[in-house]
Amino acid sequence: SQQGEEDPQALSIQEGENATMNCSYKTSINNLQWYRQNSGRGLVHLILIRSNEREKHSGRLRVTLDTSKKSSSLLITASRAADTASYFCATDGSERGNNRKLIWGLGTSLGVNP
Amino acid sequence: GAVVSQHPSRVICKSGTSVKIECRSLDFQATTMFWYRQFPKQSLMLMATSNEGSKATYEQGVEKDKFLINHASLTLSTLTVTSAHPEDSSFYICSASLGHLEQYFGPGTRLTVT
Repeated sequence: SQQGEEDPQALSIQEGENATMNCSYKTSINNLQWYRQNSGRGLVHLILIRSNEREKHSGRLRVTLDTSKKSSSLLITASRAADTASYFCATDGSERGNNRKLIWGLGTSLGVNP
Repeated sequence: GAVVSQHPSRVICKSGTSVKIECRSLDFQATTMFWYRQFPKQSLMLMATSNEGSKATYEQGVEKDKFLINHASLTLSTLTVTSAHPEDSSFYICSASLGHLEQYFGPGTRLTVT
């Protein structure tokens, strides 16, 4: 079942602007992950933030996690047309073991206009 | 990085026939593979989790006799859609895990049932 909700559902910006997407979830988690999906393609892992972390950076990506509010945000700075894609958050709340089932959000569709 | 392939990338079949989709981890041995289904402009829906050498664990509402999953080796899992119907038309995505935190996704298979 889906527990994550991304906000906004769709976002359109100009190249060079920053894009912020939010994700909320309902249950306790071990970690939260952000993935990117180009139209009709598979998903690419972007960044993982553990439940004891508050902020993480990777290149032009910045992720924050607020476990008290059960929310996370993904910031893409200095966006490029190639950043156009759908972005999904996924939470991992599974107990230790091999089956790390992820629970997916509904996604944010980002369009970056050149 | 870890690479996962899927074959075929696109398939069209007639109602009543069966279709097999392969998911391979090319440069690592996957302890667990996941099968997802995705409808247009929607998020991923987990169908089942499979571990090498054991029966797959299906999510609620997913018919195990219709969606046969075989995980014969640490690098190969197959999903067979039996007696396909037009409503089975969808984008099917597999992912593979080393048992750690990240999942590595295949490029997806577009199934169209006519």
